[in-house]
Amino acid sequence: GESVGLHLPTLSVQEGDNSIINCAYSNSASDYFIWYKQESGKGPQFIIDIRSNMDKRQGQRVTVLLNKTVKHLSLQIAATQPGDSAVYFCAENEYGNKLVFGAGTILRVKS
Amino acid sequence: NAGVTQTPKFRVLKTGQSMTLLCAQDMNHEYMYWYRQDPGMGLRLIHYSVGEGTTAKGEVPDGYNVSRLKKQNFLLGLESAAPSQTSVYFCASSYGGRGEDTQYFGPGTRLTVL
Repeated sequence: GESVGLHLPTLSVQEGDNSIINCAYSNSASDYFIWYKQESGKGPQFIIDIRSNMDKRQGQRVTVLLNKTVKHLSLQIAATQPGDSAVYFCAENEYGNKLVFGAGTILRVKS
Repeated sequence: NAGVTQTPKFRVLKTGQSMTLLCAQDMNHEYMYWYRQDPGMGLRLIHYSVGEGTTAKGEVPDGYNVSRLKKQNFLLGLESAAPSQTSVYFCASSYGGRGEDTQYFGPGTRLTVL
């Protein structure tokens, strides 16, 4: 889930296992959500998005689930690989054209 | 197609010095954004632009100025740097600005103010 402060939550998974990263968003009026991946020393990279009229969307090895009732978003990564190690952010389109980003979750993949 | 590029990659300033960060995109995007990223926090929007010649304030605009003289470039200026502006700065661009248009990010500029 998201964090406040200096220490990001960390998820450690074994290579080949599935990963689930969670995010709680703040505004029930948000209608668009994105997951970004940020590798060390690089800028955030778009992974997948979902609109509020959907509850699930699948990409290549990734699935995003949206539960509007409890304002919860999750990112599932199938068959996690070492290259998936990164910080993962969710973002919500809270107002107009501006995105609000969560602090992120660190994913560590053990070989 | 380089996407979004930022210069410089690293910079160290003394308190009170000024500098300009340059962002360039070659995707013909209308919208451009400047964010800062601090440890343990999400990206925070400093300023953004909805097109050439326009700028607008984001969440944390104080101490920064921006200009968008050309569609492909978005400049972020620090007039009198302060230690609180030590951060990693990211530029992003998007085709539109409805919030559901994907924002593409540059590699970042790491700025240290002593």
